[in-house]
Amino acid sequence: EAGVTQSPTHLIKTRGQQATLRCSPISGHTSVYWYQQALGLGLQFLLWYDEGEERNRGNFPPRFSGRQFPNYSSELNVNALELEDSALYLCASSLLGAGANVLTFGAGSRLTVL
Amino acid sequence: GESVGLHLPTLSVQEGDNSIINCAYSNSASDYFIWYKQESGKGPQFIIDIRSNMDKRQGQRVTVLLNKTVKHLSLQIAATQPGDSAVYFCAELPLAGYSTLTFGKGTMLLVSP
Repeated sequence: EAGVTQSPTHLIKTRGQQATLRCSPISGHTSVYWYQQALGLGLQFLLWYDEGEERNRGNFPPRFSGRQFPNYSSELNVNALELEDSALYLCASSLLGAGANVLTFGAGSRLTVL
Repeated sequence: GESVGLHLPTLSVQEGDNSIINCAYSNSASDYFIWYKQESGKGPQFIIDIRSNMDKRQGQRVTVLLNKTVKHLSLQIAATQPGDSAVYFCAELPLAGYSTLTFGKGTMLLVSP
């Protein structure tokens, strides 16, 4: 069974541009989570989608947005990129998110903003 | 996100030693805890979990201890191997509505042969 897949693996952008990252969850998982991991730091929660709806949002500005498609895949959009957006963006999936749940992570998309 | 220092706490051990990685969690309402392992270039991988109604849970070579009184979680790895070298994160989940896993800062474990 395929795990969580993310694309692209690496992405290089310049300040002010927009970035789009994509995630395909494990088959049967309806919840998708996005986390930001800046170099040497822990995972900061960004967004959680379940059944196509945004369930929770972390402490990030509105230029971080996303959506979940009917096939449960998801994309994360970051507008007006800033240098400090450079990070590894991790996507995870799980069965319905409420309650105790193990998140299964993808390998991440490395975004570099120059 | 918040800004913290670039240097992770590091635990260096010899192969065959037992390792103990500690984590202080922040939310007394947290009901569920997970330890993840992240190897270089990979996403975090699940190691072991524990609910708040337990104080100890054992897996294969790993044991998680939970002390709710002082909001402390530890991961014990028996007979540490070079393949255990990674960054280890604890994560907590409050039992309330649309809560999400909150991760700690991580500890780097370095295992020398």
